Amino acid sequence: GAVVSQHPSRVICKSGTSVKIECRSLDFQATTMFWYRQFPKQSLMLMATSNEGSKATYEQGVEKDKFLINHASLTLSTLTVTSAHPEDSSFYICSAKGEVGQPQHFGDGTRLSIL
Amino acid sequence: SQELEQSPQSLIVQEGKNLTINCTSSKTLYGLYWYKQKYGEGLIFLMMLQKGGEEKSHEKITAKLDEKKQQSSLHITASQPSHAGIYLCGAVTSGTYKYIFGTGTRLKVLA
Repeated sequence: GAVVSQHPSRVICKSGTSVKIECRSLDFQATTMFWYRQFPKQSLMLMATSNEGSKATYEQGVEKDKFLINHASLTLSTLTVTSAHPEDSSFYICSAKGEVGQPQHFGDGTRLSIL
Repeated sequence: SQELEQSPQSLIVQEGKNLTINCTSSKTLYGLYWYKQKYGEGLIFLMMLQKGGEEKSHEKITAKLDEKKQQSSLHITASQPSHAGIYLCGAVTSGTYKYIFGTGTRLKVLA
């Protein structure tokens, strides 16, 4: 079964709306989670590293005020796209770091469409 | 620039043909992972390679990691339409310890 649950899987909303995406680790504690963004026909680009109990580390070019990340517990990280606009429409996916030597566990992603 | 480069960027092959996808890094990698994906859907984990020179196979897919742990190849034998999709290599880079993805290879298999 899935070890990382990402919700919602699909969001369609109006421009100006803020959207929150949740990423939960189900059977393990994840001190570190990663958030990615994917445009059509492109690879997954790392947006930020989410660390439990501390501020997220954002990649160059990613607006931290636009993409708010909160990792308040060892099993939950949230990504909030604030005042979303059509250019924010994309596929967002999270991952959680598992045991040493094991692959990352990925959520199933969220398709965000801003009208 | 992307730290993990994949080649080719896209590939169209006839069903039954063999193919190879490469993933190259300028830095030593702490393990190399291969995934398959369709845009807008989750990742399907294929294989994990951790040791230099390691080679793994699953069904018709074989992946290798070179001795320096900077280059990996994914080989598909007798390709089928079901192999179509985006293939991504992923790795933790030395120094930054971030989990990043390669540039991706879009595979299309013609029946």
